[in-house]
Amino acid sequence: EAGVAQSPRYKIIEKRQSVAFWCNPISGHATLYWYQQILGQGPKLLIQFQNNGVVDDSQLPKDRFSAERLKGVDSTLKIQPAKLEDSAVYLCASSPTGADYGYTFGSGTRLTVV
Amino acid sequence: GDSVTQMEGPVTLSEEAFLTINCTYTATGYPSLFWYVQYPGEGLQLLLKATKADDKGSNKGFEATYRKETTSFHLEKGSVQVSDSAVYFCALSPVKGGFKTIFGAGTRLFVKA
Repeated sequence: EAGVAQSPRYKIIEKRQSVAFWCNPISGHATLYWYQQILGQGPKLLIQFQNNGVVDDSQLPKDRFSAERLKGVDSTLKIQPAKLEDSAVYLCASSPTGADYGYTFGSGTRLTVV
Repeated sequence: GDSVTQMEGPVTLSEEAFLTINCTYTATGYPSLFWYVQYPGEGLQLLLKATKADDKGSNKGFEATYRKETTSFHLEKGSVQVSDSAVYFCALSPVKGGFKTIFGAGTRLFVKA
């Protein structure tokens, strides 16, 4: 089966600019996650979708980050405006019904804010 | 709150050496436990999992046993290869938490030929 697709792989922007990341999960996976992985740290959950509804966005900086999952399939994560501390790898993951199955991760988008 | 603590790295071993990466957790009840591996430039891959006490997860020669009494899930492999060089993440999924997964900080493993 096809994996979790993410684009772009790399992005360099200046602070205060905006950026968007795209994720296409594995077909049939109801749950989609966005994680932020800062260099040298473990991934931190930003937002969790179940189908097209938000389950958990408690750690999403809502003043600058937004995410949507239209029609319960693809998802977009946006940052506007970006700050230097947003430099990280943004990982998308999906799972069939719950985390007990484990996640399938995409390759991530490495964002550098200069 | 729920958390995962891993041994700090990097861990450097020679090929065919025995590997142990320690992982302990703090959580209510019986969370599901996981090990993920991240190779350079790639996303995380599920390596193995255990969903109840005394379960042993295994894959690709790696194994880990869910120890409720010590709240541990240590990763072991009897003979490492150069290709095992990667970052290993211990993780848990809380009993109540909407199936989100909490990750440790990761342990980098270098295997020398």
